[in-house]
Amino acid sequence: DAMVIQNPRYQVTQFGKPVTLSCSQTLNHNVMYWYQQKSSQAPKLLFHYYDKDFNNEADTPDNFQSRRPNTSFCFLDIRSPGLGDAAMYLCATSRDQVGDEQFFGPGTRLTVL
Amino acid sequence: KNEVEQSPQNLTAQEGEFITINCSYSVGISALHWLQQHPGGGIVSLFMLSSGKKKHGRLIATINIQEKHSSLHITASHPRDSAVYICAVPLGGSNYKLTFGKGTLLTVNP
Repeated sequence: DAMVIQNPRYQVTQFGKPVTLSCSQTLNHNVMYWYQQKSSQAPKLLFHYYDKDFNNEADTPDNFQSRRPNTSFCFLDIRSPGLGDAAMYLCATSRDQVGDEQFFGPGTRLTVL
Repeated sequence: KNEVEQSPQNLTAQEGEFITINCSYSVGISALHWLQQHPGGGIVSLFMLSSGKKKHGRLIATINIQEKHSSLHITASHPRDSAVYICAVPLGGSNYKLTFGKGTLLTVNP
């Protein structure tokens, strides 16, 4: 089945140690999004790619970076994780950014020790 | 004031009951999303609708664009329906950036 896959499902890192989260999709969608969701809060959009065009949200810290080497894959890099970065990270895709349905991956739960 | 209001915040039901969750929003939109999230889990997209009604299995979603209101119904509820149900709409002039409601925590007891 076509889907959005995130790896790993659970990631533990140490304070300040860089970490990379992975998202892949078999939907051939143009748009890929990264959200951060802290406990009991709504997801917060960090950035999105429309094809190769990167769109950063104004309030996304510089500590968060992203790469999209091809249509199928997108990576979230946290350069120096702090305790406040512990959260669920959700990847989503949509066919086109003009109001299309977003398909979410299962998420990666990040723990920072 | 949150621009997307959901009610109720918490809902407990007995297995088999008919469930209704409501969502109201403040401005005109292109489409509304209903999402499901199990505790500690990822998000699943249930519906995206811009008018009328959609049905998938025991789930039904309706939207009234004029009244800026949508409802999610679950017929013959089951304990596996226990989850947080989230309404999300694109606000602020963006067609893709979703504003999420606070969610409705549904617990269905056997």
